[in-house]
Amino acid sequence: QVQLVQSGAEVKKPGSSVKVACKTSGGDFSRHAISWVRQAPGQGLEWMGRIIPYLGKGNAVQRFQGRVSITADDSTTTAYMELSSLRFDDTAVYYCTLGNWFDPWGQGTLVTVSS
Amino acid sequence: DIQLTQSPSSLSASVGDRVTITCRASQSMNNYINWYQQKPGKAPKLLIYVASSLQSGVPSRFSGSGSGTDFTLTISSLQPDDSATYYCQQSFSGPWTFGQGTRVEIK
Repeated sequence: QVQLVQSGAEVKKPGSSVKVACKTSGGDFSRHAISWVRQAPGQGLEWMGRIIPYLGKGNAVQRFQGRVSITADDSTTTAYMELSSLRFDDTAVYYCTLGNWFDPWGQGTLVTVSS
Repeated sequence: DIQLTQSPSSLSASVGDRVTITCRASQSMNNYINWYQQKPGKAPKLLIYVASSLQSGVPSRFSGSGSGTDFTLTISSLQPDDSATYYCQQSFSGPWTFGQGTRVEIK
């Protein structure tokens, strides 16, 4: 049974960066696509991008390009999503999830951007 | 990008009712549509994948159907635990996209 456990909540200032971790266990880390999905307060789900660890390079939705970096560390079976130049509207819960139909999901990481 | 439009945006139904949620895609998707249930404060949960395959452990009252651009999630007999928001998602063509969600309330 694959499990995804994410790092804890963050409070960041506008213009700074945040890096969220997603530790996987119980599966073949390198072969599955790991996606990042975010949800702003009271809003719907937004897919941000993904990485297939054995291929190495992550890709992101165009509107995040230049601001988001998705990486993976095979040695620790952990994926990362780093978002830079944070804005107030980046306040959201960030989820990692597995596969093309997303299952399972991490528990979510609340990132609050506040001055 | 493929746009997904769900209808209705919200609905209220009684326990035991049959509930249908529709997801319409902006282009044909070869059945690569998936459905999720999300309860407040929780991560989404996969219900149906590739239009009609029931995810392991999901009650059989949930079913999916459709093809081309029009897809449906059906709850055959609504239960109190089904109060949630439901999302469709396409995995046919990148970037993956979600519908805007349908909130289901119990009368």
